Amino acid sequence: DQQVKQNSPSLSVQEGRISILNCDYTNSMFDYFLWYKKYPAEGPTFLISISSIKDKNEDGRFTVFLNKSAKHLSLHIVPSQPGDSAVYFCAATPTGTASKLTFGTGTRLQVTL
Amino acid sequence: DGGITQSPKYLFRKEGQNVTLSCEQNLNHDAMYWYRQDPGQGLRLIYYSQIVNDFQKGDIAEGYSVSREKKESFPLTVTSAQKNPTAFYLCASRSTSGGYNEQFFGPGTRLTVL
Repeated sequence: DQQVKQNSPSLSVQEGRISILNCDYTNSMFDYFLWYKKYPAEGPTFLISISSIKDKNEDGRFTVFLNKSAKHLSLHIVPSQPGDSAVYFCAATPTGTASKLTFGTGTRLQVTL
Repeated sequence: DGGITQSPKYLFRKEGQNVTLSCEQNLNHDAMYWYRQDPGQGLRLIYYSQIVNDFQKGDIAEGYSVSREKKESFPLTVTSAQKNPTAFYLCASRSTSGGYNEQFFGPGTRLTVL
């Protein structure tokens, strides 16, 4: 039973354009969501997060949108750069539960020149 | 430099042997976590600890054991009871003060069972 789903295993975007990575969840108890970026053979690096009391959070080129009614969130990267090429994981947790994160399966983003 | 270290980077083990993966953090974080990643899958939680001398099972704890004798250290033992131990293992830590805080990850240990 996959509670966090990233249905697109891969995405290719041209440099300078917008990258949109999607994530869906099924557990209504999740109220905090995070995006991590991961290079091969390295640990994930935290990118941005959003609480369920918000519907948008921005940090530089990265914006996360949350649609609670649809149980959907998305990560927008504008403009995309070659260094953004990596695997992006969506994660979710109910707060107050020791922050046990449930991860999606990841989306591999390739930013082409 | 504050951070999380995992050693070794690569580990090979013969079937039937126990092996211990090291995780150390100098971030003064109370909570620590162990995940495993398999190809094409997300990270799955093995064990976690919110305080010294206390830990709880995650979603896939069978065949693993941990200890938390010091705040800085959270070693993971992969026992011979683990059916498919070959994977990439990631340790993480988190501050538990001041509201929600994200988990910081170490560089990982790739375990291969021969």
